[in-house]
Parts: sequence; structure tokens; C-alpha cells
Amino acid sequence: AQSVAQPEDQVNVAEGNPLTVKCTYSVSGNPYLFWYVQYPNRGLQFLLKYITGDNLVKGSYGFEAEFNKSQTSFHLKKPSALVSDSALYFCAVRTNTGGFKTIFGAGTRLFVKA
Amino acid sequence: EAGVTQFPSHSVIEKGQTVTLRCDPISGHDNLYWYRRVMGKEIKFLLHFVKESKQDESGMPNNRFLAERTGGTYSTLKVQPAELEDSGVYFCASSQPPGGPYNEQFFGPGTRLTVL
Repeated sequence: AQSVAQPEDQVNVAEGNPLTVKCTYSVSGNPYLFWYVQYPNRGLQFLLKYITGDNLVKGSYGFEAEFNKSQTSFHLKKPSALVSDSALYFCAVRTNTGGFKTIFGAGTRLFVKA
Repeated sequence: EAGVTQFPSHSVIEKGQTVTLRCDPISGHDNLYWYRRVMGKEIKFLLHFVKESKQDESGMPNNRFLAERTGGTYSTLKVQPAELEDSGVYFCASSQPPGGPYNEQFFGPGTRLTVL
């Protein structure tokens, strides 16, 4: 069965420090990987995606993620966290054999302290 | 350009009652999806419309859930009768044709359903 794991329910980081939100996946077929962010009372917003090519992908708001096929991971990173980055982050995957459905992780809440 | 909208934003009903959620996709988006997040768990796929046709409804939990998209524009998701375990946040998303697993899906703000 296809699945996405976000091992941390919550990540705490000080403003200005680098942040990492972890994600691993288990799929059959080629993975298409996504990160979404949800701010309070808002819908899911697309951050970035990996389809093919360069393993390091850059997205909105200074975020980036690295696709690691051997470790089946797609960790989200940012060199310098902002208080405004505090939100709920979801890792997601689709495959070329899974149709259009998106498989999400359980989400990781990021707290950035000033 | 208006995004995906959902109505209502919150709904509180009693067990056994009926609730209908509505989603208006981005204009021109043939693909419409429903997802649900229950009790802080992962967001789960419910179903996928292409225009007015159900392309994939493998995620629908049971026959108390009925989704429609008459005319291929907005969609409704009816829960009848509602049970306690139906509580959660229901998200709608849409994407442009021709679609594909790598196309961006645009999500609405969600409807928070509470069944008492």
C-alpha cells in the first residue's frame, strides 16, 4: 500500500535557524512528491514538487526539498526560519500508477519562536 | 482569479442528521477532488470527478456519503445520516485538464464538520 510518513508531529525552531521537516514515502511506481502548507483558517497551499530531474527543488517562501530515492525521503528545508513560517506542513505523493489521488502524510506542525 | 471555495466553513450537526457540503472549483478546472482529514490524522482521498463523471470513488467510506457534480461545475458531498466518526475537515481541490499525477491541485479552505 502506498503511504507517506511524517515522523514528527511537531518541530520547534528558533527564528533565524535552519529548519527541516521530515518525510518518507512508500509507493509502487515513480513517485511525484509534493509539500503543502496550511495556515490557520486557510486551505492547503502548494509549496513545491518533485517530478523528475534535479533532486533539489526550490519552492515558495524560500523553502526547498531534496528527493533521495535510496532513502525514499523528501525532507523540507529552509536555511533561515521566520516566525511567519509557523504552520501545518503536509508531505504528499502521487504515482503514475495511482491515478490522480494524492496520498498525504499526517502533517507536521512547525513552531518558529522569535 | 478566484480560488476553490467551499461552503459552509463550519457545520455542527447531531448524529443522524444530514449535511451537504458544497465546493466550487476554479473556473475551467475539469478535475475536482474531495479529501477528508479526521482527528489530526492524514488527509485521505475520497473521490475524483472529471467534469460530471466519477473517475475514482475508491476512497468513499461507505454508502452514507453521496457526491454529485451535476453539470460539471460545482460539487456537493452529502452525508446521510451523519455519524460521530464523520467529524473532520473536508477539503475540495481542483486541477486543470488534461490532468495527471504531476498537475498541481488547488485546495479550498475546507469545511469543518462536527457531529455531536
